[in-house]
Amino acid sequence: DQQVKQNSPSLSVQEGRISILNCDYTNSMFDYFLWYKKYPAEGPTFLISISSIKDKNEDGRFTVFLNKSAKHLSLHIVPSQPGDSAVYFCAAVYNFNKFYFGSGTKLNVKP
Amino acid sequence: DAGVTQSPTHLIKTRGQQVTLRCSPKSGHDTVSWYQQALGQGPQFIFQYYEEEERQRGNFPDRFSGHQFPNYSSELNVNALLLGDSALYLCASSLSTRASGQYFGPGTRLTVT
Repeated sequence: DQQVKQNSPSLSVQEGRISILNCDYTNSMFDYFLWYKKYPAEGPTFLISISSIKDKNEDGRFTVFLNKSAKHLSLHIVPSQPGDSAVYFCAAVYNFNKFYFGSGTKLNVKP
Repeated sequence: DAGVTQSPTHLIKTRGQQVTLRCSPKSGHDTVSWYQQALGQGPQFIFQYYEEEERQRGNFPDRFSGHQFPNYSSELNVNALLLGDSALYLCASSLSTRASGQYFGPGTRLTVT
């Protein structure tokens, strides 16, 4: 049962433009949501999170938006940089300690 | 601070064998979670350990078991290995009071032949 879905396996964006990564979930009981970034041969690295009671959280170039009615989460990266090229996973947390991950979106930022 | 470390890096086992993977959490962290990441998929939650006990478990069979030691390090054991157990196994540590701050190790690549 895939409770968290990332329907775009890959995304290519020009340097300086906006990258928008999307994530859908099915369980309305999730407590909060996170985005992780993963480089090859490394474990995922925490990027940004948002509580289920909020609809936006911003941290520098990264902003996460939560639309609870649509059960949709998105990560905006502005401006995109070549160093942002990685696989991005969204995750949803249930009961504050059970994590469900999406399948990932590979972002390629072209110079 | 060495962060989360895992050993071994790579492992090749034969179907039916047993395997033990190890994880040392980030300094100051008391909670360890284990994930299985198959090729092309996101990490799947196996279980979480806190205070040397399994606190949460995902949809994995009893062949998957674990342990947490008093120093918070942890082991993942898989018995009767199947070809489908081939995956990257990730360990993540966190503070029990701040589950959002999970730090992942680099993973152990297990290949079952």
